[in-house]
Amino acid sequence: GAVVSQHPSRVICKSGTSVKIECRSLDFQATTMFWYRQFPKKSLMLMATSNEGSKATYEQGVEKDKFLINHASLTLSTLTVTSAHPEDSSFYICSVKPRNEKLFFGSGTQLSVL
Amino acid sequence: QKEVEQNSGPLSVPEGAIASLNCTYSDRVSQSFFWYRQYSGKSPELIMSIYSNGDKEDGRFTAQLNKASQYVSLLIRDSQPSDSATYLCAVILTGGGNKLTFGTGTQLKVEL
Repeated sequence: GAVVSQHPSRVICKSGTSVKIECRSLDFQATTMFWYRQFPKKSLMLMATSNEGSKATYEQGVEKDKFLINHASLTLSTLTVTSAHPEDSSFYICSVKPRNEKLFFGSGTQLSVL
Repeated sequence: QKEVEQNSGPLSVPEGAIASLNCTYSDRVSQSFFWYRQYSGKSPELIMSIYSNGDKEDGRFTAQLNKASQYVSLLIRDSQPSDSATYLCAVILTGGGNKLTFGTGTQLKVEL
């Protein structure tokens, strides 16, 4: 069965609006979740590591004020793309490591900013 | 040199043939290696992990690891059209805080 649930699967929004993406771990507590971004025909790039009860750790070049991450519980992390612009259009994927070192991904969110 | 490198393809093989996908990595002390399959518009799904030199078999899939040469490969036997997807190689690079780093993926097309 699914290890992690991600919603919504697709979002189309106007430039300047904010979009929230939810990632839920199923059947286990996740103190850490990971957010990736993937542009067409490109690889997955780690954006940030979400830590339950504390600030997220952002990768170099990722604007923390633009990509707000909240990990308020052991089963839920949210990514909010603030003031979205067309260049933010991408496939956003969350992931968890419930055991060992294996990473499991959510179903992804395709964001299209008009 | 990219940290994890793959040929983008597409790699075309006939149905029933063996598909061979290759990946090289830059970190000599990496210990953990993964292959993910990603269908268009979907998120990646884990196919195999390998940690030791040699071969690891799981059904039609065989992962091969050679740490001395810094490459890891994935063989798919009896390829099926449903195997057509992009295959992502991922490595935990010790130099970068133990982060999972992905290659750009190889597109595989299995033709009837």
